[in-house]
Amino acid sequence: DGGITQSPKYLFRKEGQNVTLSCEQNLNHDAMYWYRQDPGQGLRLIYYSQIVNDFQKGDIAEGYSVSREKKESFPLTVTSAQKNPTAFYLCASRRRTGERSPLHFGNGTRLTVT
Amino acid sequence: KNEVEQSPQNLTAQEGEFITINCSYSVGISALHWLQQHPGGGIVSLFMLSSGKKKHGRLIATINIQEKHSSLHITASHPRDSAVYICAVDLNTGNQFYFGTGTSLTVIP
Repeated sequence: DGGITQSPKYLFRKEGQNVTLSCEQNLNHDAMYWYRQDPGQGLRLIYYSQIVNDFQKGDIAEGYSVSREKKESFPLTVTSAQKNPTAFYLCASRRRTGERSPLHFGNGTRLTVT
Repeated sequence: KNEVEQSPQNLTAQEGEFITINCSYSVGISALHWLQQHPGGGIVSLFMLSSGKKKHGRLIATINIQEKHSSLHITASHPRDSAVYICAVDLNTGNQFYFGTGTSLTVIP
């Protein structure tokens, strides 16, 4: 079955450390997204990518970085510059941007930084 | 200011009840999505609609583009419907979505 795999499900880090969250999809989708979910707030866009080797900042990109070297992979690095990194992170994809098609989501990674 | 507003925020129902969750938005959209998030955190797409009405099993979604409003209905609710339901709008740019804060539904046996 096609889908999006995020790993790990839970991640614990000390303050000051960078951490990379994995997102892999086998849906052959062009567009991939990273969202952050905090209690009481809607999902907020961190970065998105429309195609390999291209990505754009979302609304809350500060303190995060991404890469898109392969179509199926879109890892997110939470750097020590992110002031409040503890959150639930969701990766999503769709066939391509500019086209009305459903969003597919992974199961998320819950990051706790202490 | 939220571009997407959902109501109610929390909803408790008895098994078998008819449930309605509402979504209003203030921006131009190309489509509206209803999503379901279970306690484990993963999100599943239920509907994508740009006009009219769609039905899948006991779930029905409607949208009124002129009034910028959508509803999600669950008929004969069941405890397994307990989840957070999220409304998301697909902006005309095609690159971004705005998400509501979700409606937490609990169905009691």
